Amino acid sequence: QKEVEQNSGPLSVPEGAIASLNCTYSDRGSQSFFWYRQYSGKSPELIMSIYSNGDKEDGRFTAQLNKASQYVSLLIRDSQPSDSATYLCALVGGYNKLIFGAGTRLAVHP
Amino acid sequence: DAGVIQSPRHEVTEMGQEVTLRCKPISGHDYLFWYRQTMMRGLELLIYFNNNVPIDDSGMPEDRFSAKMPNASFSTLKIQPSEPRDSAVYFCASSRGTGADTQYFGPGTRLTVL
Repeated sequence: QKEVEQNSGPLSVPEGAIASLNCTYSDRGSQSFFWYRQYSGKSPELIMSIYSNGDKEDGRFTAQLNKASQYVSLLIRDSQPSDSATYLCALVGGYNKLIFGAGTRLAVHP
Repeated sequence: DAGVIQSPRHEVTEMGQEVTLRCKPISGHDYLFWYRQTMMRGLELLIYFNNNVPIDDSGMPEDRFSAKMPNASFSTLKIQPSEPRDSAVYFCASSRGTGADTQYFGPGTRLTVL
């Protein structure tokens, strides 16, 4: 089992809808979680971090963490075509290293 | 700030040749990371440095790969000899701390080994 699992997608949503991206992880001891966005041909950039159970909101983005069920999710409200990208879930693993999931490709169509 | 700088941006070489990728981290960042990204394996950490010292190189695929950080503003990743399966995008990233600290990625080097 991979340490961080994501559905590769593509996840296709219409403009204005809510996009829901999910991630599960295997190490129950993981404490810090991140969502990176990567546009095609570009480098990853951090958009959200979450450390406690519950929701964390930042503009149109909401990260959700459930440590008991070992999943992290990212909700994007009012999705825009400019949100079309690959979203990478990551967590801090052994030796304080970031471990990335394979990413979910999101396509927002007008 | 200029951000993380990598060179070259694209490299095409033939199997067996030596390849050297370069990285300049953000000034003041004590941690430097080298990643490799492929469609099959995603984004993988190869090695990371703290204050120019290699801390964990368990992700380096084999002895053909080596990395150095001679000073706080420069690091290299060398592949010798290169093989077609090394074709990937190689990213360098830096951060003030490890773990939960934000990592800032460079633009990457797209390596193609023929």
